[in-house]
Amino acid sequence: QSVLTQPPSVSGAPGQRVTISCTGSNSNIGAGYDVHWYQQLPGTAPKLLIYGSFNRPSGVPDRFSGSKSGTSASLAITGLQAEDEGDYYCQSYDSRLSGPVFGGGTKLTVL
Amino acid sequence: QVQLQESGPGLVKPSETLSLTCTVSGGSISNHYWNWIRQPPGKGLEYIGDIYYSGSTNYNPSLKSRVTISVDTSKNQVSLKLTSVTAADTAVYYCARVGLGSSLDYWGQGSLVTVSS
Repeated sequence: QSVLTQPPSVSGAPGQRVTISCTGSNSNIGAGYDVHWYQQLPGTAPKLLIYGSFNRPSGVPDRFSGSKSGTSASLAITGLQAEDEGDYYCQSYDSRLSGPVFGGGTKLTVL
Repeated sequence: QVQLQESGPGLVKPSETLSLTCTVSGGSISNHYWNWIRQPPGKGLEYIGDIYYSGSTNYNPSLKSRVTISVDTSKNQVSLKLTSVTAADTAVYYCARVGLGSSLDYWGQGSLVTVSS
C-alpha cells in the first residue's frame, strides 16, 4: 500500500487531455511538501517530468503540467501522443517517515 | 551532462548480501544527496535510503536494519549494501540524484538483481 494514492490506469485518444491524481495526507502533500512527477516509458528508468509541483525541467514539453491543492496533486497531459504511453509516478516527502514517498503509479494507455 | 551508472552482481543467493555501486560522471558528487530506489518486477517505486556527500544517511524504516549506504567522494561513487536478502528483494535497483526542487532529477539506468539459489 503506497503512502500516496494514484489511479491504477487512465486512457485517452490521441490529441485528448488526461489527468492523473495523486492523493496524500497531512504528513506529506497537505503539510506543504512539493510534489514531483516522473514518467517511466517501457523498459526505461524513470525520468523527471514535473518538479516543485508545477515546474517543468528543460526539455519537457509544455503539454505536461502540474497542480496542487490541499492534500492532492494532479498531472495533466494535453495533446496526447502515442509516445506518452507508459507509467507515471508522483512523489513527495513525508514527515512521519522522514523520507520521500511515492504513489503506486498510473499506467497511461493511448487508445 | 550528469550520468549515473549502477553496477554489481545480477544474482544473489538468499540470506547473502546484495552490493551495488553507483558511479557518477559528468558532475561532482559533492553538495548533493544521492538516493537508492528499487522497483520489483511489475511493481512501483520504493525508497531505500539516501546519503549526503558528507556521509550522513537516512533509511526507509522498513529496510533500516538491513541497509547501509556509503559514499566515496574520491571515486565519485555511492554504494548500497542490503543484508539477509530474500526473493522479495528481487528488483531493479536505481540510484538517483536529488536536485531540482529536491526532486530526483538524474537517474541511473537501473540494475536488475535477482535473489535465487
